[in-house]
Amino acid sequence: GENVEQHPSTLSVQEGDSAVIKCTYSDSASNYFPWYKQELGKRPQLIIDIRSNVGEKKDQRIAVTLNKTAKHFSLHITETQPEDSAVYFCAAVEGYSTLTFGKGTMLLVSP
Amino acid sequence: DAGVIQSPRHEVTEMGQEVTLRCKPISGHDYLFWYRQTMMRGLELLIYFNNNVPIDDSGMPEDRFSAKMPNASFSTLKIQPSEPRDSAVYFCASSKIQGARYEQYFGPGTRLTVT
Repeated sequence: GENVEQHPSTLSVQEGDSAVIKCTYSDSASNYFPWYKQELGKRPQLIIDIRSNVGEKKDQRIAVTLNKTAKHFSLHITETQPEDSAVYFCAAVEGYSTLTFGKGTMLLVSP
Repeated sequence: DAGVIQSPRHEVTEMGQEVTLRCKPISGHDYLFWYRQTMMRGLELLIYFNNNVPIDDSGMPEDRFSAKMPNASFSTLKIQPSEPRDSAVYFCASSKIQGARYEQYFGPGTRLTVT
């Protein structure tokens, strides 16, 4: 089955800096890669996603890149703000099957 | 829509007791997922249903866990008997395929503590 590795497990940045979280996947058939944000005590919520026929996608301060050859994808957050502090999960899925989640990255943005 | 609804939000029980967690998916969604989240193991998929039929239960840790979906608007996850290591947050999620988008909507979770 699919295996998703996520790094780093924790990330501390200063407000205004950029943050990058990286994930690798094992199943070359995976074709959909969402990112979820989970604030403390809350539920995971989708923030951005990318399909395998696209190399990059942006939504305001967040962007995701995908390298199918290397089987890795990354989340980029620019101009970080304290409200970006949360746990971020990457995931991979083939077709419309089950999501395989990474272990999560705890992002802390200090004012 | 009210989103995915889970009950109870918190459950504290003693080892050996039966625990039943409940979930109401978003109306019109045809996939339902049960996850367990712990610090050590992260977010684990336990089982998922499509059109009320269990498709993959390979994530169910052992026979003490069972899940049902008697209709499109209700699902249960039961643990019998419960053990301290079952303490976790249990999330239910639902989804519907809409074009290229495949978003799973999570419920608020049930925090289970087994003493």
